Amino acid sequence: GAVVSQHPSWVICKSGTSVKIECRSLDFQATTMFWYRQFPKQSLMLMATSNEGSKATYEQGVEKDKFLINHASLTLSTLTVTSAHPEDSSFYICSARVSGSYNEQFFGPGTRLTVL
Amino acid sequence: AQSVTQLDSHVSVSEGTPVLLRCNYSSSYSPSLFWYVQHPNKGLQLLLKYTSAATLVKGINGFEAEFKKSETSFHLTKPSAHMSDAAEYFCVVSFSLSNNDMRFGAGTRLTVKP
Repeated sequence: GAVVSQHPSWVICKSGTSVKIECRSLDFQATTMFWYRQFPKQSLMLMATSNEGSKATYEQGVEKDKFLINHASLTLSTLTVTSAHPEDSSFYICSARVSGSYNEQFFGPGTRLTVL
Repeated sequence: AQSVTQLDSHVSVSEGTPVLLRCNYSSSYSPSLFWYVQHPNKGLQLLLKYTSAATLVKGINGFEAEFKKSETSFHLTKPSAHMSDAAEYFCVVSFSLSNNDMRFGAGTRLTVKP
């Protein structure tokens, strides 16, 4: 149980285009989902916290107009990287917190974004 | 301030020898602590977690960790390393009174030599 999927697993796009990444909780409801970014050989950095039906809370230094987050249902959150540039190339990982479960998050497999 | 520190960026051991990956935290509150493993280009897998129950926590694949409040540590150990243990390991802290987000340590890369 507690499986989180991400789609796509990898994507290559041209500079200036937008890319949407989906995060789904497959067998549980997640009132809260989290988006992380991981640069090569570095740790995960929290980008934003997404609560179902409300606006996401962004960490300091993360541009909310560039990284659009939508959490329209209890099983789906999306991250859209708008007007992507090469410096946005990274590994994006989502996680979902089980409703009623204290602190435990389950992580998706990640999406590798390469912007040319 | 809340923080988590992994003391070694890289640990190298021989197959069959013990593994010790060190983690210290700083928190004003009672933390929840986790160890995750990440194999190359793969997602994170939970090894074990501490959430104020038993201080010695046993996880998957023979790993265990001990929560020591006096030392603010949560070191990860395994008696005998296997080649398949080679990966990146993250110590993670969740601060009880925050928004339940998790803060990651910088990671420790474990290399296992044959």
